[in-house]
Amino acid sequence: KAGVTQTPRYLIKTRGQQVTLSCSPISGHRSVSWYQQTPGQGLQFLFEYFSETQRNKGNFPGRFSGRQFSNSRSEMNVSTLELGDSALYLCASSGEGTEQFFGPGTRLTVL
Amino acid sequence: GESVGLHLPTLSVQEGDNSIINCAYSNSASDYFIWYKQESGKGPQFIIDIRSNMDKRQGQRVTVLLNKTVKHLSLQIAATQPGDSAVYFCAENYRGSARQLTFGSGTQLTVLP
Repeated sequence: KAGVTQTPRYLIKTRGQQVTLSCSPISGHRSVSWYQQTPGQGLQFLFEYFSETQRNKGNFPGRFSGRQFSNSRSEMNVSTLELGDSALYLCASSGEGTEQFFGPGTRLTVL
Repeated sequence: GESVGLHLPTLSVQEGDNSIINCAYSNSASDYFIWYKQESGKGPQFIIDIRSNMDKRQGQRVTVLLNKTVKHLSLQIAATQPGDSAVYFCAENYRGSARQLTFGSGTQLTVLP
């Protein structure tokens, strides 16, 4: 069974731009969660989607948004990028159980 | 707010020795705890989990201990190998928070030859 895939793996943007990251969960998994990982703040929960609905949201500004499609693939969008948004963005998928399987992440650099 | 934190940022052990990585949590409502391993350039990899109705759980070469009285979690790795070198995170989840995990800051484990 293929693991969680994330595209692109690396991304460079400039301040003020917007970015969209994509996540394809493990086949059959309906829950997709997003996390931001930075050296200063560690791993922080962004939001979780289940069956195309946002089920839970972390403490991030409204510039961070996401969505999930009917095939469970998910995207997250960050608008008006700031230097502090530079991070590794991780996606995790879950099936019926509670275990979350993480993808390799997308490394976003904001210049 | 309440959060999960790790006691030590780095840990070095000799190959073949046992490793113990500690974690303190403060959310008394947490009922599910997980240890993840993250290697450079990769996403976190599930190691072992434990629910709050247990105090010990064993896997292959790993054991997780949960002490709810002092809100402490530990990961023991037996016969540590070079491939165990990585950053280890503990994470907690509480009932009603769906898949939202709160992660600790991580411990860098280095296995010395």
